[in-house]
Amino acid sequence: QKEVEQDPGPLSVPEGAIVSLNCTYSNSAFQYFMWYRQYSRKGPELLMYTYSSGNKEDGRFTAQVDKSSKYISLFIRDSQPSDSATYLCAMTPNQAGTALIFGKGTTLSVSS
Amino acid sequence: DSGVTQTPKHLITATGQRVTLRCSPRSGDLSVYWYQQSLDQGLQFLIQYYNGEERAKGNILERFSAQQFPDLHSELNLSSLELGDSALYFCASSVGGPSGNTIYFGEGSWLTVV
Repeated sequence: QKEVEQDPGPLSVPEGAIVSLNCTYSNSAFQYFMWYRQYSRKGPELLMYTYSSGNKEDGRFTAQVDKSSKYISLFIRDSQPSDSATYLCAMTPNQAGTALIFGKGTTLSVSS
Repeated sequence: DSGVTQTPKHLITATGQRVTLRCSPRSGDLSVYWYQQSLDQGLQFLIQYYNGEERAKGNILERFSAQQFPDLHSELNLSSLELGDSALYFCASSVGGPSGNTIYFGEGSWLTVV
């Protein structure tokens, strides 16, 4: 079992739809959870950053972490064609000498 | 623009050759990370340096090596290249380690081995 699992999609939605992206993980030591967006083989850019469990909202984006279920989600409201990209979840424990581990990414396409 | 600079952007080389990828971190960042991204494996962590010292090691092959210099720039050396080494190589940087710090990625170096 991989440490971080993410459905690669592709996921296709119409403009204005609510998008739900998810990751599951196996390492209970993970404490920091991130979502990155990557356009067409460009460098990943950080979208959301959460620590431990709970929700965090930033504009049209909401990140949720459920540590009891080892499950994290990213919701995109009122999706736009410009949201078409690959979304990567990433996580790391709170200890030195560890790395940021990524899911394989979900490819999202929003049609106008 | 993340502030992380990688060169070269693209390179094509033959099997058995050696290449060096270069990375300049964001101003003030002490940590540098190297990741490999291929279509089937996703983003794989290779190695992290903090202020010149190796801090974490991932699935980095013995044919690959890296270092971080006193001016904090980093180089990733790939030798005895194989077709399977063709991938996008990303450098990233952060102020400290990955816990509690934002990690910024460069635009990547696209390596094609023929």
